[in-house]
Amino acid sequence: QSLLTQPPSASGTPGQRVTISCSGSSSNIGSNTVNWYQQLPGTAPKLLIYTNNQRPSGVPDRFSGSKSGTSASLAISGLLSEDEADYYCATWDASLNGHVFGTGTKVTVL
Amino acid sequence: QVQLVQSGAEVRKPGSSVKVSCKASGGTFSIYAISWVRQAPGQGLEWVGGIMPMFGETNYARKFQGRVTMTTDESTTTAYMELSSLRSEDTALYYCARMCSSTNCSFHYGMDVWGQGTTVTVSS
Repeated sequence: QSLLTQPPSASGTPGQRVTISCSGSSSNIGSNTVNWYQQLPGTAPKLLIYTNNQRPSGVPDRFSGSKSGTSASLAISGLLSEDEADYYCATWDASLNGHVFGTGTKVTVL
Repeated sequence: QVQLVQSGAEVRKPGSSVKVSCKASGGTFSIYAISWVRQAPGQGLEWVGGIMPMFGETNYARKFQGRVTMTTDESTTTAYMELSSLRSEDTALYYCARMCSSTNCSFHYGMDVWGQGTTVTVSS
C-alpha cells in the first residue's frame, strides 16, 4: 500500500489543462522534494519533473510541478495525444528511510 | 550520453534466486546512486532498494530486507541485484535507474536515467 495517493485516472481533450494530485504526509512530501515520472505504454519511466518544479532538459514547458505542505501536483497544459501515459509522483520517506512512489495516474486524451 | 543496459529475461522456480545486471556507460559510475525499481504486470512502480558504489552503501526497502542483495563491480561499471526465496508475486519487470542531479548523486534525487528493464518470471 503506497504512502503517496494519486487519482487513478484523469482525462482531457486536446489543448486542455489536466492536473494530477499526489497526497502524502509529513514524513515524505512534507519534508522532501518531489519528482514526477511519465511512463508511456511499454516503455521505461522517464523523469518529467525533479525537485518539485524543475524540468530536465528536453521536457516541454507544458509540464509543470508544484508542492505545498504534504501534497504535490503535476499540471499538463495544452494536452496532446502523445501525453497519454501513466504518471507517478515519488519522493523519499524519512520514516521508511526509503524511496516511495505514488499509486499512479493514467491520463487519457479524449 | 549515460546509458544503463540490463541483462536479459529470466525464468525461475519458486524458492530459487535470480541475479540481474545493469551495465553503465558514458559517465562516472563510482559516484552514482543506483536504484532498483520493479513493476508487476499491470501494476505501479515499487522501489526495491539502492546502492552507492563509492561508499559501498546499500539501502533496501523494508519489504525486501533479508531477500535482496545489491552489489557493484566498478571494474566493469556494472550493478547487480540478487533476489532470493522467489515467489510468484516477484514476477515483474525490474528496472535499474541512476539517481543523480547535474552535479551530484544521492538516493534522494530523481531517477534521471533508466535501464530498459528485465523481466523476471517466477513459475513452477
